[in-house]
Amino acid sequence: DTGVSQDPRHKITKRGQNVTFRCDPISEHNRLYWYRQTLGQGPEFLTYFQNEAQLEKSRLLSDRFSAERPKGSFSTLEIQRTEQGDSAMYLCAILRGPANTGELFFGEGSRLTVL
Amino acid sequence: AQRVTQPEKLLSVFKGAPVELKCNYSYSGSPELFWYVQYSRQRLQLLLRHISRESIKGFTADLNKGETSFHLKKPFAQEEDSAMYYCALTPSGGSYIPTFGRGTSLIVHP
Repeated sequence: DTGVSQDPRHKITKRGQNVTFRCDPISEHNRLYWYRQTLGQGPEFLTYFQNEAQLEKSRLLSDRFSAERPKGSFSTLEIQRTEQGDSAMYLCAILRGPANTGELFFGEGSRLTVL
Repeated sequence: AQRVTQPEKLLSVFKGAPVELKCNYSYSGSPELFWYVQYSRQRLQLLLRHISRESIKGFTADLNKGETSFHLKKPFAQEEDSAMYYCALTPSGGSYIPTFGRGTSLIVHP
């Protein structure tokens, strides 16, 4: 079965704190993506992994953001020194099928609120 | 760089009316196009993709390369179609990273 679990589902933090989100695909998939979605916008690409290698990062991913996928299975996204502008839904997705025609299978997302 | 434009933020129709959600794209190559849907309190999920040429839940989408469009259509809307709809494009080369439009909220009134 294909599924993506994200944790926590909702995180409220104060500005300046660090937060970490985790993404767990149920089964092994080569490609794992992180997107961010703010109110009224579609998902915006942040970064993606091919197995454990982080192959591309968006310019949206400032140096306060870091992502890892140490064993090519689960992934973490850490935001250091959070700012109010970081408030968003952070979506993790795995690719089902070929890179050019495959489907993104999304988790339910982790909502971040920075006070 | 590719771009996906969904000109309507909101589309409101009555049950049984035809629906067309517009999607235009900008890309120099031959892209793959998708429609994703997000129902209330559910995850974002694939509705249909161009390559499959199929109808899902009564929805179809035709790729018009001349107009660079991939509009989503349904002849008779149902209340359960109310959701957010996102058009997405995967480029035919490079890193194959999908780009999404901002989404259109479809509300189907009884």
